[in-house]
Amino acid sequence: DTEVTQTPKHLVMGMTNKKSLKCEQHMGHRAMYWYKQKAKKPPELMFVYSYEKLSINESVPSRFSPECPNSSLLNLHLHALQPEDSALYLCASSQDTGTLDEKLFFGSGTQLSVL
Amino acid sequence: QKEVEQDPGPLSVPEGAIVSLNCTYSNSAFQYFMWYRQYSRKGPELLMYTYSSGNKEDGRFTAQVDKSSKYISLFIRDSQPSDSATYLCAMSAKTGRRALTFGSGTRLQVQP
Repeated sequence: DTEVTQTPKHLVMGMTNKKSLKCEQHMGHRAMYWYKQKAKKPPELMFVYSYEKLSINESVPSRFSPECPNSSLLNLHLHALQPEDSALYLCASSQDTGTLDEKLFFGSGTQLSVL
Repeated sequence: QKEVEQDPGPLSVPEGAIVSLNCTYSNSAFQYFMWYRQYSRKGPELLMYTYSSGNKEDGRFTAQVDKSSKYISLFIRDSQPSDSATYLCAMSAKTGRRALTFGSGTRLQVQP
């Protein structure tokens, strides 16, 4: 199983809403990532979790709050977002950020629209 | 100057053509090189992974790395309409910050 599963596939939310994006992998990977991708742009790294601990936060605004409940699950909690936060949010996993072998496997993403 | 440069295209070719996609980079610390394929509104899919200079072949795909020129390529033989997608190069360093650095992606259209 080389699949990273993300839910929901699409999400529309207002600026005062609170919502969560979910990601799951069963490949035994110990590193999990959140990326944000705007149309026709490459993915931009937001957060990295390594062994369930936050290891990289790319100066992401606090309205995005990541959570890694266990090694298979990754959540991204959203609150008071702005319309410019509308994007494709991608989850990825890799074996271990401690090795040099960083083959990332991506989910299909959540297409988020903020109204 | 961006660390990784990639022509955004679009690149339009007829079915059956050989496609050449390229990236240049400036950071000599990059050691691992990857190509991802991304269909519209989907996540990137890892196609090829190489370490150090040389060629790697997988079916219709060949990845080439020339570290002396800081230049990587992806060749697609016998291109198919199903190859129409955006192709992203990505690379990571041996030391320091190890997160992937992506190129901006090249949009490929294979015409039937």
